[in-house]
Amino acid sequence: QQQVKQSPQSLIVQKGGISIINCAYENTAFDYFPWYQQFPGKGPALLIAIRPDVSEKKEGRFTISFNKSAKQFSLHIMDSQPGDSATYFCAASSPGNTGKLIFGQGTTLQVKP
Amino acid sequence: NAGVTQTPKFRILKIGQSMTLQCTQDMNHNYMYWYRQDPGMGLKLIYYSVGAGITDKGEVPNGYNVSRSTTEDFPLRLELAAPSQTSVYFCASTLGGSREQYFGPGTRLTVT
Repeated sequence: QQQVKQSPQSLIVQKGGISIINCAYENTAFDYFPWYQQFPGKGPALLIAIRPDVSEKKEGRFTISFNKSAKQFSLHIMDSQPGDSATYFCAASSPGNTGKLIFGQGTTLQVKP
Repeated sequence: NAGVTQTPKFRILKIGQSMTLQCTQDMNHNYMYWYRQDPGMGLKLIYYSVGAGITDKGEVPNGYNVSRSTTEDFPLRLELAAPSQTSVYFCASTLGGSREQYFGPGTRLTVT
C-alpha cells in the first residue's frame, strides 16, 4: 500500500507565526509532491508543488522543504494570516500516464488573530 | 470557463437506493478522477479515466461504477447505497502531462 503520512492532524498558530506541516512517504518512485489547500465547503486547490531534484521551493509566504534521503517533505507558511485558516493536504505522484495522486490525511490549520 | 462542476451539491439517500453523481469539465482535460473525502482520512481515489472510453479502479472502487463517454463528463454511479458511502465526493481533472488537478466543489452525500 503506497502511503503518505501527514502530521499534525490539527494546528493552531498565532497571526504572524510560522505554520509547519510535515509529510512522509514510502515509495521512492514518487517524483512529484504537491500541497493542496482546501477552504470549508470548497474543493482542494493546488498551492505549491516540488520535484525531488530540488530541496526547497518558495512561492511568496509558502515554502516546501524536501529531504529525499529521509523521504520527508514539509510545508512552511511564514507570517501566517487568519486567511490561511484551511485544511492542507500533501500528496505524491509516481511517473506514468495516469496522473494519480496519493493524499495525506490532511491538517486543519487555524490562525488566530 | 466554469472549470469542474458537480451536481448535486447535497443529497440524502436511503439504504439501497441508487444515484448518479454528475461531473463536467470545460477545460478539455483528458484525465478525470473521483475521490471521496472522509474526516481525518484525506482523499481516497475511487475511479479515474485517462480518456473517453477508458476507466480504471482506484484505491476504493467497491460499491461504485463509472463511465466516460465524452471528454467533458465523468459520472459516478452508486447502485445500492450503504451508510459506509456517506462522504463528500470530489471530481477532479487535469491535462495529461500536467500533474495539477483541478477539483470541483464537491457533493455531500448522506446515506441513512
